[in-house]
Amino acid sequence: AQSVTQLDSHVSVSEGTPVLLRCNYSSSYSPSLFWYVQHPNKGLQLLLKYTSAATLVKGINGFEAEFKKSETSFHLTKPSAHMSDAAEYFCVGASGGYNKLIFGAGTRLAVHP
Amino acid sequence: KAGVTQTPRYLIKTRGQQVTLSCSPISGHRSVSWYQQTPGQGLQFLFEYFSETQRNKGNFPGRFSGRQFSNSRSEMNVSTLELGDSALYLCASSLEPARIGETQYFGPGTRLLVL
Repeated sequence: AQSVTQLDSHVSVSEGTPVLLRCNYSSSYSPSLFWYVQHPNKGLQLLLKYTSAATLVKGINGFEAEFKKSETSFHLTKPSAHMSDAAEYFCVGASGGYNKLIFGAGTRLAVHP
Repeated sequence: KAGVTQTPRYLIKTRGQQVTLSCSPISGHRSVSWYQQTPGQGLQFLFEYFSETQRNKGNFPGRFSGRQFSNSRSEMNVSTLELGDSALYLCASSLEPARIGETQYFGPGTRLLVL
């Protein structure tokens, strides 16, 4: 069975510094992996997705993630945090023949001036 | 193109009542999935519909049900509400199901409070 683990429940950074949100996955076969962001009282917005085409995936708003099979990781990074990046981020997996998404527990990102 | 819409956005019910939530997918999308989000359990898959058929179901009791109409709009129903059903219910749509990497687009959710 597939599972997704987000290693940090809270991350706090200063504006202008790099962001790293960590995600590990387990899957018996090649997964599809996504990062979604949820701002307060809003729905989920797709940041980026990995589908085995390229291990380094670029998303919206300057975010990117690298799929590392040897480490079973799919960490999300951004070179320079902006105040508007403060939100909750979900690492999400999908595998098999169904549209069922498996969500990590979420990482709440705080950005300080 | 309009996004996924969900109605109502907020709902207050009392224990024992039933509730129906509605989701209109992005135009052209034929697959609709439902998720429950709570502080304790996080985001959990409820069920997925495609071509008016339930294709997959999560681990929820039979009080949770859904359906999809010919225009791809979907409703979910919760009967005999319990306090623990208080949650944000999210709907997601995609063009097709059952393809690796198919992107799901989420609506803003319906926040249900059960008193």
